[in-house]
Amino acid sequence: NAGVTQTPKFQVLKTGQSMTLQCAQDMNHNSMYWYRQDPGMGLRLIYYSASEGTTDKGEVPNGYNVSRLNKREFSLRLESAAPSQTSVYFCASPPYPRRGPSGPDTQYFGPGTRLTVL
Amino acid sequence: GESVGLHLPTLSVQEGDNSIINCAYSNSASDYFIWYKQESGKGPQFIIDIRSNMDKRQGQRVTVLLNKTVKHLSLQIAATQPGDSAVYFCAEIMNTGFQKLVFGTGTRLLVSP
Repeated sequence: NAGVTQTPKFQVLKTGQSMTLQCAQDMNHNSMYWYRQDPGMGLRLIYYSASEGTTDKGEVPNGYNVSRLNKREFSLRLESAAPSQTSVYFCASPPYPRRGPSGPDTQYFGPGTRLTVL
Repeated sequence: GESVGLHLPTLSVQEGDNSIINCAYSNSASDYFIWYKQESGKGPQFIIDIRSNMDKRQGQRVTVLLNKTVKHLSLQIAATQPGDSAVYFCAEIMNTGFQKLVFGTGTRLLVSP
């Protein structure tokens, strides 16, 4: 049971190039998320998918597109990369890693993709 | 190397000391709070959570305190160990119809042997 996996782990792009970050979860969860993390800041939500076939914008969606390919996979695409998109990208999927009697799901994070745009 | 957290507030403690990491949250309507630990080069790892109808919750070596009056959250780590060195984030869940976490900026904990 791998949980959440992300590929690639590292990527260097030139300004204007495109790429797709892949995320997969094997926990049969409905919801999946993409975050970015910049130095000195917490994680910020880019896009999320509440269920297969649906996607919605988060806090910082500009410059990104997403595809919920199926229940397992949620990809993030940069059509024309910019230096401002240099960041660490995390994919996440609930549920709550420690079962409790009540309360919302807690996200479970992948290992991250470190992207540098030159 | 890890570029996350270069400008984060830092708490330095000696091994065996108790550590207290503080967090101010933004939304009085948030009803669920989580502390994460993030080690260099890894994704955030869940530590402990608390609901808004509680003011204290204890786990293994960790305690979370919630003060809703001043919108303040703290994480107490007892008998801090070098392995506790990491960046710690608080996060709040705002019930907007779909559960999305809003993260604080984080605190770096450095534990000296």
